[in-house]
Amino acid sequence: GAVVSQHPSRVICKSGTSVKIECRSLDFQATTMFWYRQFPKQSLMLMATSNEGSKATYEQGVEKDKFLINHASLTLSTLTVTSAHPEDSSFYICSTPGTGTLNTEAFFGQGTRLTVV
Amino acid sequence: GENVEQHPSTLSVQEGDSAVIKCTYSDSASNYFPWYKQELGKRPQLIIDIRSNVGEKKDQRIAVTLNKTAKHFSLHITETQPEDSAVYFCAASGGTYKYIFGTGTRLKVLA
Repeated sequence: GAVVSQHPSRVICKSGTSVKIECRSLDFQATTMFWYRQFPKQSLMLMATSNEGSKATYEQGVEKDKFLINHASLTLSTLTVTSAHPEDSSFYICSTPGTGTLNTEAFFGQGTRLTVV
Repeated sequence: GENVEQHPSTLSVQEGDSAVIKCTYSDSASNYFPWYKQELGKRPQLIIDIRSNVGEKKDQRIAVTLNKTAKHFSLHITETQPEDSAVYFCAASGGTYKYIFGTGTRLKVLA
């Protein structure tokens, strides 16, 4: 199946700093990337949808100025958590429908465990 | 928007017994329903999926059933093994690629 590489896998940052998370599609072109956040013992909550070459679409309640998403190429989407605070500590994971065919398997990155101290 | 409810939140079964996890969805336009297994700190892994034109699908010890009229679908694991212990998520999708996930079920298989 399609491979999505997400980095870093773990990051610890100080409160007030920014953190960038990258997701790369290694063997296909990802026109769409979904970004999810998962708090401990909770489900994956969709944060936003990024589309190559256009502005991301954010889910209700997600601050677009805090979670900056860039999808500048067909193989790279990034999520930047700006001015991070301890409550932003979570597991962030990207996914993409690799084949581009509707209603097929999504391919996930490895996830990023963000800890803000 | 779509809302997916999942029950139970935790499930303990004896090794060799069956486990059933149920999900309901709200959006009648949803037509793709995957199930994922997630181990701690790792990415979700697809274990089985079903599309709306099918009522049941089976893959070895795992099966999924779908009732479109009632808007619910279920995961069935037979002959459970300790390595089946994990968190399982259902999801629903309909024409937009994005998934709405259920709340998760922590399955524990007791040896």
